[in-house]
Amino acid sequence: ILNVEQSPQSLHVQEGDSTNFTCSFPSSNFYALHWYRWETAKSPEALFVMTLNGDEKKKGRISATLNTKEGYSYLYIKGSQPEDSATYLCAFPDTGRRALTFGSGTRLQVQP
Amino acid sequence: DTEVTQTPKHLVMGMTNKKSLKCEQHMGHRAMYWYKQKAKKPPELMFVYSYEKLSINESVPSRFSPECPNSSLLNLHLHALQPEDSALYLCASSQDTGASSYNEQFFGPGTRLTVL
Repeated sequence: ILNVEQSPQSLHVQEGDSTNFTCSFPSSNFYALHWYRWETAKSPEALFVMTLNGDEKKKGRISATLNTKEGYSYLYIKGSQPEDSATYLCAFPDTGRRALTFGSGTRLQVQP
Repeated sequence: DTEVTQTPKHLVMGMTNKKSLKCEQHMGHRAMYWYKQKAKKPPELMFVYSYEKLSINESVPSRFSPECPNSSLLNLHLHALQPEDSALYLCASSQDTGASSYNEQFFGPGTRLTVL
């Protein structure tokens, strides 16, 4: 089973702060890295699928970068809002198991 | 329709009960998944179905029995569960299995199961 790690485990920020967190994954046999946002009582929602080294993707105030050589991805949120409060999960396809291996997530709380 | 639906939302059952969880998608996806998620932990894969055939069983106890009646439906039959099986059970689907970037998984909202 692959080792996918996320840090920090949790983060409390004030509304308007910008924040970022990290996902690290095995750098060998890279195919793709997925980012999900999971709000309480809702379905995990796909944010980004990142495939190329140096990729940078953006969706509104949220962006992500990818470094496949060193095995990490950063997720950035600019000007955090209370509605950004969620757990952010990264996931790495395990070709052996033909399924995603999830990191433990970063739980973000944005205080108004 | 990009939705994965799951029923019921909540389920409370005794250790001698038999119950089933249901999952449905109409996106034409050929891979469907069951995950188990305990509090403050990531989702853990239980089963993968590919083209309606069970392709992965992650050493899940036989008291959990998956079934894929057709390409849109996935069931999880529960029998003689233990209190430690209480968790959120998530269903997901994707175009296919494999590592391709196209295999983004779409999740349902989950069934919160409590075993007394």
